[in-house]
Amino acid sequence: DAGVIQSPRHEVTEMGQEVTLRCKPISGHDYLFWYRQTMMRGLELLIYFNNNVPIDDSGMPEDRFSAKMPNASFSTLKIQPSEPRDSAVYFCASSLGSQGNYGYTFGSGTRLTVV
Amino acid sequence: AQSVTQPDIHITVSEGASLELRCNYSYGATPYLFWYVQSPGQGLQLLLKYFSGDTLVQGIKGFEAEFKRSQSSFNLRKPSVHWSDAAEYFCAVGAGNAGNMLTFGGGTRLMVKP
Repeated sequence: DAGVIQSPRHEVTEMGQEVTLRCKPISGHDYLFWYRQTMMRGLELLIYFNNNVPIDDSGMPEDRFSAKMPNASFSTLKIQPSEPRDSAVYFCASSLGSQGNYGYTFGSGTRLTVV
Repeated sequence: AQSVTQPDIHITVSEGASLELRCNYSYGATPYLFWYVQSPGQGLQLLLKYFSGDTLVQGIKGFEAEFKRSQSSFNLRKPSVHWSDAAEYFCAVGAGNAGNMLTFGGGTRLMVKP
């Protein structure tokens, strides 16, 4: 398995633009998580899905953020409009079970810079 | 709800020296415990995990960790550190209940002196 695949690896965008981050989880995993990592706040859970259904989005910072999982093999995290304070590394992770008998498998992340 | 504390934000050790990274958790029952490593520009990689049984668990890259219930700790150790071990290390705890997510500590950044 190629692991969790995220795209793009790097994204630079201007303030006010729409940004879409993509994630392909490991086949067969039933949980998908979106995290944000910054120096100031560390690793934050934004939202997670179980069997493609959003379960808890309480970590989503505000209405500018939205996430979808149209099928078991694809998820997106969208920011519209983007702001400089959204600059961070965004990770997608997947697992079998909520805590994963084998832990969570993380993608390599998308480094977002909003200028 | 469970919580995790990694008391050391930064640690510097000399190459070849031994390493111990501290992790303390808060949870009423036996937790699931994990250590992850994040190299620069990379995602988090699972080093090792504890669910039950032997309290000393072996992981990849020569790491081990010991679960001590009496101290609510799950410290990560390595007998001899290599320069390539420089990275950020995260401890995580799970509560063992379906639907309960992992909680991650704030991380410890390890620097290795030549």
